[in-house]
Amino acid sequence: QVQLAESGGGVVQPGWSLRLSCVASGFTLTPSTSTIHWVRQAPGKGLEWVAVVSPDGSQIYYTDSVQGRFTTSRDNSKNTVYLEMNRLRPEDTALYYCARQLVGPHWFFDLWGRGTLVTVSS
Amino acid sequence: DIQMTQSPSTLSASVGDRVTITCRASQSINTCLAWYQQKGGKAPKLLVYKASSLESGVPSRFSGSGSGTEFTLTISSLQPDDFATYYCQQCSSLSTFGQGTKLEIK
Repeated sequence: QVQLAESGGGVVQPGWSLRLSCVASGFTLTPSTSTIHWVRQAPGKGLEWVAVVSPDGSQIYYTDSVQGRFTTSRDNSKNTVYLEMNRLRPEDTALYYCARQLVGPHWFFDLWGRGTLVTVSS
Repeated sequence: DIQMTQSPSTLSASVGDRVTITCRASQSINTCLAWYQQKGGKAPKLLVYKASSLESGVPSRFSGSGSGTEFTLTISSLQPDDFATYYCQQCSSLSTFGQGTKLEIK
């Protein structure tokens, strides 16, 4: 079954760090396939694009609010993408999804995980 | 940053109705736009991409149109399974989602 599965969420205090993982199954991450994005959704709110990593890891972009604090990377040999989150803030509280980009150059997301919840609270 | 504005925020309709949701971009995005459906705590589902291309497996009652700054998602005849929240998403400059349209049963 083709799917993505996020893990690593939890409850942390402001300023702490957390690393999320996104494991692909049913398909293989290679240096030439599957751009992966991170999208988050605060409780009761809408969707917010967070970051993207290209198939070979050479092209990475972030939304302004996480630039300099979050780092995304991938290990294709483990079929896994990571989101390292540092200096977490209460406004980072959200359900974090990883999503696969539809084949092609445009950022449309055809496969999503179920999400992992990150709560930042003192 | 490109802002995406959806209208209405909430829409009440009945089974069988034809409904239209609008999404406006703060600047031209050509056809770099997608529509997603999200139901109660689940992951979003891609419905339409490139403004008007229907994703595989999506019922033909869904259709998208538009280019530049104004886009619409139309459901030709509402089915019970369609009551959900819908989001537009631009991909012209990084990515931004609209705030969502909640489609409720009248």
